[in-house]
Amino acid sequence: DGGITQSPKYLFRKEGQNVTLSCEQNLNHDAMYWYRQDPGQGLRLIYYSQIVNDFQKGDIAEGYSVSREKKESFPLTVTSAQKNPTAFYLCASSIGGQANTEAFFGQGTRLTVV
Amino acid sequence: QKEVEQNSGPLSVPEGAIASLNCTYSDRGSQSFFWYRQYSGKSPELIMSIYSNGDKEDGRFTAQLNKASQYVPLLIRDSQPSDSATYLCAVNTPARSYIPTFGRGTSLIVHP
Repeated sequence: DGGITQSPKYLFRKEGQNVTLSCEQNLNHDAMYWYRQDPGQGLRLIYYSQIVNDFQKGDIAEGYSVSREKKESFPLTVTSAQKNPTAFYLCASSIGGQANTEAFFGQGTRLTVV
Repeated sequence: QKEVEQNSGPLSVPEGAIASLNCTYSDRGSQSFFWYRQYSGKSPELIMSIYSNGDKEDGRFTAQLNKASQYVPLLIRDSQPSDSATYLCAVNTPARSYIPTFGRGTSLIVHP
């Protein structure tokens, strides 16, 4: 089955710790995205990548980093510089660069600071 | 002005009624429009896409697009308790490289 897999489903981070969220897709999509969702806030774009080995900051990139070394993979690192990381993180992918293409989502990772 | 605006709700309707969910967007160059449903604790799933002016129907769901008014509402007929969820409106625009831009979502509650 084609789809997007995020892991882990739940993640706990201690103060000052970096953590990495995994996102893998087998849809052969060029574009991949990371969104953050807080209660009542909708989805806010953290980073996006439209092609391998290239990525761009989204609207709330501070305190986060990404890599895109393979087409299938787009991991997100939440660094210690992100002061309020507790949120629901969603990875998505699409064909990219075209108007009439939908985004497909992984099941999400819920990150909690302890 | 936010790029995609939705009433946050909650919108409460009785079972069997029509639920009307609003969505407006600011960029006149926007080309494609999507409605996603998100159950609590789950990821969004696409329920409707619409690309040209008019109505698009899929079962109990109807998306309407009016580019002149920059308005793309979603109607749910014969609402069921299982429709209770948050509904997210998303827009693709060339000015943002067709990256999906989402509204805050509208929480819908269908009560028996």
